[in-house]
Amino acid sequence: QKEVEQDPGPLSVPEGAIVSLNCTYSNSAFQYFMWYRQYSRKGPELLMYTYSSGNKEDGRFTAQVDKSSKYISLFIRDSQPSDSATYLCAMRENSGYALNFGKGTSLLVTP
Amino acid sequence: ETGVTQTPRHLVMGMTNKKSLKCEQHLGHNAMYWYKQSAKKPLELMFVYNFKEQTENNSVPSRFSPECPNSSHLFLHLHTLQPEDSALYLCASSQDGSLSDTQYFGPGTRLTVL
Repeated sequence: QKEVEQDPGPLSVPEGAIVSLNCTYSNSAFQYFMWYRQYSRKGPELLMYTYSSGNKEDGRFTAQVDKSSKYISLFIRDSQPSDSATYLCAMRENSGYALNFGKGTSLLVTP
Repeated sequence: ETGVTQTPRHLVMGMTNKKSLKCEQHLGHNAMYWYKQSAKKPLELMFVYNFKEQTENNSVPSRFSPECPNSSHLFLHLHTLQPEDSALYLCASSQDGSLSDTQYFGPGTRLTVL
């Protein structure tokens, strides 16, 4: 069983839509949860960082972590064509250096 | 230059070649990382250096050899690679590798092994 599962998509939505991206995981030791955005031919850039369960909001982006269900989400409000990218979830235990990534979800926001 | 830079951006090499990838960070960080990103696979951590000391080697084959001469520079030396080693190689850096640290990624080197 893979540690982090993420639907690769592609997910296509019209401009202005609310986008929901999700990851599930199996390792209950994960405590730190991140969402990265990766544009074509670029490296990943950190969007959201959450410790343990709860919600975190930053502008149009909201990250949710439900540790009891081993499920994390990223919501994008009022999506824009510039949000078109691959979104990667990543998780980390309370020790070590390794970030455990999902495969990424490809998002296309059409004008 | 700002952030994390990587050179070259693209590299094509034969299986008998020897080449090196270079990463430089301009963020004053002390931890540096090599990741491999293959198509349809999650990013895989390869190596971690913290304050110039290698702290993690994620069972990477010996045909990949990292070098960290100082906290700002990281190299990945390649020799006798296989076609399945073709991938995007990403370098990242973070303040000190602590649990709440944020990793900042470079743009990557797209490697093709013929």
